[in-house]
Amino acid sequence: DAGVIQSPRHEVTEMGQEVTLRCKPISGHDYLFWYRQTMMRGLELLIYFNNNVPIDDSGMPEDRFSAKMPNASFSTLKIQPSEPRDSAVYFCASSLRRGNEQYFGPGTRLTVT
Amino acid sequence: AQSVTQLDSHVSVSEGTPVLLRCNYSSSYSPSLFWYVQHPNKGLQLLLKYTSAATLVKGINGFEAEFKKSETSFHLTKPSAHMSDAAEYFCVVSDRSGTASKLTFGTGTRLQVTL
Repeated sequence: DAGVIQSPRHEVTEMGQEVTLRCKPISGHDYLFWYRQTMMRGLELLIYFNNNVPIDDSGMPEDRFSAKMPNASFSTLKIQPSEPRDSAVYFCASSLRRGNEQYFGPGTRLTVT
Repeated sequence: AQSVTQLDSHVSVSEGTPVLLRCNYSSSYSPSLFWYVQHPNKGLQLLLKYTSAATLVKGINGFEAEFKKSETSFHLTKPSAHMSDAAEYFCVVSDRSGTASKLTFGTGTRLQVTL
């Protein structure tokens, strides 16, 4: 298996622009997670899905962030409009069942100038 | 509720000497426990996991961890450090009996390996 795939690997954008991050989970995994990692705040869970349905989005910072999972093999995290404080590494992870280990993608390093 | 405490934010060892990264957990139910490693500018990689089978768990790259319920600990060890082990290590707990699917991550321990 190719593992969790994320794109792009790096994104540099200007403040106010829309940013879309993409994730393909491991085939057959029922759960998909979006995380954000910064030096100041460490690893934060933003949202997770079960069978394509958002279960808990309490970690989403504000309305500028939205996530979708239109099918079992694809998810997006969108930031609109982006701000410099959104600069971070965003990870997608998937797991087979509830409470199981999660497998992480390589991350997307976002820089908002 | 579940939580995990990594007792050292930074550990430095010499190459060839043993590694000990300490982790204590708190969980209302029978937990699953994991150790992940993150090399610079990389994603998180699963090192090993405990899910109520053997209390001594062996992982990749020579690492192992022992689940001690009486001490609520899950310390990570390796007999002999290698330069390539230098990375950030995260202890993680999952409440298998609860309704949530979240993992709770520790704050990480940065392992430095010197010559």
